[in-house]
Amino acid sequence: DQQVKQNSPSLSVQEGRISILNCDYTNSMFDYFLWYKKYPAEGPTFLISISSIKDKNEDGRFTVFLNKSAKHLSLHIVPSQPGDSAVYFCAASWKGAQKLVFGQGTRLTINP
Amino acid sequence: NAGVTQTPKFQVLKTGQSMTLQCAQDMNHNSMYWYRQDPGMGLRLIYYSASEGTTDKGEVPNGYNVSRLNKREFSLRLESAAPSQTSVYFCASSRTLGNQPQHFGDGTRLSIL
Repeated sequence: DQQVKQNSPSLSVQEGRISILNCDYTNSMFDYFLWYKKYPAEGPTFLISISSIKDKNEDGRFTVFLNKSAKHLSLHIVPSQPGDSAVYFCAASWKGAQKLVFGQGTRLTINP
Repeated sequence: NAGVTQTPKFQVLKTGQSMTLQCAQDMNHNSMYWYRQDPGMGLRLIYYSASEGTTDKGEVPNGYNVSRLNKREFSLRLESAAPSQTSVYFCASSRTLGNQPQHFGDGTRLSIL
């Protein structure tokens, strides 16, 4: 049972435009959500997180939106840059949980 | 700062061989984890250690054992490697369990022939 789903395996965006990566979850206990970025041959790097008491969190070019009623979160990257080309994983957890639950990942390609 | 260091980076084994993957973190984190990443499946938790002296099974523990050697080090052992264990293995650490970012090493790419 895939509790965290990223339904788009890949996404292509023009440099300078907005990239929007989506993630859906099914477990109502999740109350903490994260986005990770992964380059080839490297480990995932933590990007940004959001607690369920908020619906938006911003860090520079990265903004995460959480819609609890729809069990949906998204990562917005504005403006997109070539260095943003990577695989992006969303992950979810709840207080006291022993693990993060990861989505399958979305490969983002930024075209010049 | 090195963060989370994994060794080796690459390894090829024959079916039935044993091997230990090493992981060390220098962030004074209490909790450590081992994941495997397979195409189309995200990262799946193998084992975790909430704190020094404790270890627990994750989602896919069969065929693996772990040792939390001290606060810094958490090793993963394959006693009798099988082709199904061909994967990329990531070690991670976090300050505590639960709602915390985990910080990952660069992975060990393991092939079992």
